[in-house]
Amino acid sequence: DAKTTQPNSMESNEEEPVHLPCNHSTISGTDYIHWYRQLPSQGPEYVIHGLTSNVNNRMASLAIAEDRKSSTLILHRATLRDAAVYYCILKIQGAQKLVFGQGTRLTINP
Amino acid sequence: DTEVTQTPKHLVMGMTNKKSLKCEQHMGHRAMYWYKQKAKKPPELMFVYSYEKLSINESVPSRFSPECPNSSLLNLHLHALQPEDSALYLCASSQNRGRGDIQYFGAGTRLSVL
Repeated sequence: DAKTTQPNSMESNEEEPVHLPCNHSTISGTDYIHWYRQLPSQGPEYVIHGLTSNVNNRMASLAIAEDRKSSTLILHRATLRDAAVYYCILKIQGAQKLVFGQGTRLTINP
Repeated sequence: DTEVTQTPKHLVMGMTNKKSLKCEQHMGHRAMYWYKQKAKKPPELMFVYSYEKLSINESVPSRFSPECPNSSLLNLHLHALQPEDSALYLCASSQNRGRGDIQYFGAGTRLSVL
């Protein structure tokens, strides 16, 4: 299974941008980068995914390095509801499953 | 509607009991998943059903028995569990579209085995 590395925890303030990094140096050219998050007492929730180009949706932006060995999830204006564990996952070709790493626990201060 | 519904939300069972967890989705998804999550750990895949057939079993002990009666329903039958099987059991579904596939998760069943 393709491996990702994320910081164990990060802290930010409400209404400020948050940049969550992920390293995936062994990524292959056909792997997609997915981000999910898990709020307390809930199941994981899809956030965003991409292959090569930067991606935006209503929840977040995904910035992918040119060599694709790293990516950054950007929450443009954090709220208290964004406090969660964020998982960066590589979806490899032909694989149905998601392999969750340890993720980053994001704390948002009021 | 992007909802995956799991019942019950909480379950307490003894080691000799037989119980079942249920999962339902009405998004027309053709892949359904069971994950197990221990406290403070990430979810771990147990089973995948694709088009109502078991496609992945991650070497799960036989005391866990999955069943997919139709494309909307997924069950997990439990028998002779051990206390270490206490965990949050998550169900998910997806369209089964390859690398861009998005999984939708239920809120889980929190299981305690006494």
